[in-house]
Amino acid sequence: DADVTQTPRNRITKTGKRIMLECSQTKGHDRMYWYRQDPGLGLRLIYYSFDVKDINKGEISDGYSVSRQAQAKFSLSLESAIPNQTALYFCATSRGGPSYNEQFFGPGTRLTVL
Amino acid sequence: GEDVEQSLFLSVREGDSSVINCTYTDSSSTYLYWYKQEPGAGLQLLTYIFSNMDMKQDQRLTVLLNKKDKHLSLRIADTQTGDSAIYFCAESLPGTASKLTFGTGTRLQVTL
Repeated sequence: DADVTQTPRNRITKTGKRIMLECSQTKGHDRMYWYRQDPGLGLRLIYYSFDVKDINKGEISDGYSVSRQAQAKFSLSLESAIPNQTALYFCATSRGGPSYNEQFFGPGTRLTVL
Repeated sequence: GEDVEQSLFLSVREGDSSVINCTYTDSSSTYLYWYKQEPGAGLQLLTYIFSNMDMKQDQRLTVLLNKKDKHLSLRIADTQTGDSAIYFCAESLPGTASKLTFGTGTRLQVTL
């Protein structure tokens, strides 16, 4: 069974629509992240959460919002999707702490905004 | 600012060694990482190195860190077709151990 799951895996939508991407984890980690991946740009951090009551903006949070419904669930919303939000979106989790930080990634959601 | 850069593409023959390079700009990095992304999948941690180390070896993988030049490399010995993937380097900074800055990724193609 996958430790970090994302739904949906693929989504095609139209400009202006509201979209929610969901992430669930069974690893028991406190820390969760949302990234987007674009060819030639690597992964860029959108939002991250260190526990249920903690939400922080990443480097590209404009146009996105998040909700941490429980330790195991972290969802990403696009309130009004636009074509340049077409990308591959990844959720990740980590244990946190002062030492090295291994992040565990979900399989990704491919979002296309027409 | 934090910039982590990699070349976009590398092609090697099966059995040869692959060397994937990464440069970063923040000299205060505490840990540097190599992640692997196979087609259609998320990233998986391959290996990492603490900033006070110069080299780390793990089976076919050798990581070299040159702090003076802010250069990180990943050498894969005896490269196999199963090593074909995108490889990302990443860094974490003091006080932000849970936040990673990823490079642009290098696509490794292994040919027969």
